[in-house]
Amino acid sequence: AQKITQTQPGMFVQEKEAVTLDCTYDTSDPSYGLFWYKQPSSGEMIFLIYQGSYDQQNATEGRYSLNFQKARKSANLVISASQLGDSAMYFCAMRDMAGANNLFFGTGTRLTVIP
Amino acid sequence: GAVVSQHPSRVICKSGTSVKIECRSLDFQATTMFWYRQFPKQSLMLMATSNEGSKATYEQGVEKDKFLINHASLTLSTLTVTSAHPEDSSFYICSAASSGQETQYFGPGTRLLVL
Repeated sequence: AQKITQTQPGMFVQEKEAVTLDCTYDTSDPSYGLFWYKQPSSGEMIFLIYQGSYDQQNATEGRYSLNFQKARKSANLVISASQLGDSAMYFCAMRDMAGANNLFFGTGTRLTVIP
Repeated sequence: GAVVSQHPSRVICKSGTSVKIECRSLDFQATTMFWYRQFPKQSLMLMATSNEGSKATYEQGVEKDKFLINHASLTLSTLTVTSAHPEDSSFYICSAASSGQETQYFGPGTRLLVL
């Protein structure tokens, strides 16, 4: 079964607007971690934000916030005040004990910021 | 902090030759390093996990004799693609994590083209 699902192959957002990138996950492990990475055209994977399954509050890192809804098994990334440099692929990933602590990646969402 | 380098960034080789890719954690000790492969417009696929001083654990379907992984120190892991063929052409990217660290930090990746 697929552990991470990103249903949006591509998204567009106007510069300075906010955008939400969807991510749902599947695990029976009570202890897991959720990650978002950004991959620009250069190929590097840039860590953006992390949410632990036991964290009570949604994670935030600057313009990035993670909308963690545990009961719905969703971990959507919200980018506020979009900038042209935010145009990239965005990958959601999960790590759980069942997966030997390895990261499982979703298929990614390509975000394009329109000036 | 948490910088991972990868060398070379790009390599072109002839079919039948071997290629070595280095992954270094520059400012932390990486007890575990991961090697991923990414085909165009696809997500990252984990190839193997290596712990310092022990043999790598390969994912199902990854030939250990073809993709040799060495993790000789806490800051260096190498991936050697032996007897490379055109179908090995891909983007190879490593990540590193230290003991107790939730996040994997990625190198910039290596684009391999086998002619």
